[in-house]
Amino acid sequence: EPEVTQTPSHQVTQMGQEVILRCVPISNHLYFYWYRQILGQKVEFLVSFYNNEISEKSEIFDDQFSVERPDGSNFTLKIRSTKLEDSAMYFCASSSGGSPNEKLFFGSGTQLSVL
Amino acid sequence: AQSVAQPEDQVNVAEGNPLTVKCTYSVSGNPYLFWYVQYPNRGLQFLLKYITGDNLVKGSYGFEAEFNKSQTSFHLKKPSALVSDSALYFCAVRTMDSNYQLIWGAGTKLIIKP
Repeated sequence: EPEVTQTPSHQVTQMGQEVILRCVPISNHLYFYWYRQILGQKVEFLVSFYNNEISEKSEIFDDQFSVERPDGSNFTLKIRSTKLEDSAMYFCASSSGGSPNEKLFFGSGTQLSVL
Repeated sequence: AQSVAQPEDQVNVAEGNPLTVKCTYSVSGNPYLFWYVQYPNRGLQFLLKYITGDNLVKGSYGFEAEFNKSQTSFHLKKPSALVSDSALYFCAVRTMDSNYQLIWGAGTKLIIKP
């Protein structure tokens, strides 16, 4: 079965530094998502992306966050100036359609640790 | 506020016995219900979904789930557990009020003992 791949699997950074989390969605998918899970908490929606623009974002996704699809295959999440509370597992997902009954395909996540 | 509850942090089942992982939801509007599974060092994998129609839906790896509208539940079941079913299971829901973004339960760790 096709997979969503995420790199790196672990990222350690200093507070205030910029990080870029990378994702390669499934090749024929058109809808892309980022979710995160802080340790011990529920998975939370961050942002959805379609047709080269953000279609939906949560309150978490503030000005420190941005997403980009720079080359037609990668889908990146950038955190401009990381905070301690950004430490979490970040999951990328993609789907072929945008309807509510679509299943999402998830990557294995990037564990971000902000020191 | 919309929410999904998985009341059990962990469920322990002997291999060969039936298993149930519970999920209840509190949303407005018609729910689209999903179960995902996470194996160690792997991403979240889709198991099954309920959109409309038959209340009993069948999914991957022999799992099934029953939608109960009156009890607002969507419990995951399997008639005979395998050790390889041991994983973290997440229930999630999409509704119009969440702009159809997934709202997640906290997850239930399923441990199947040989």
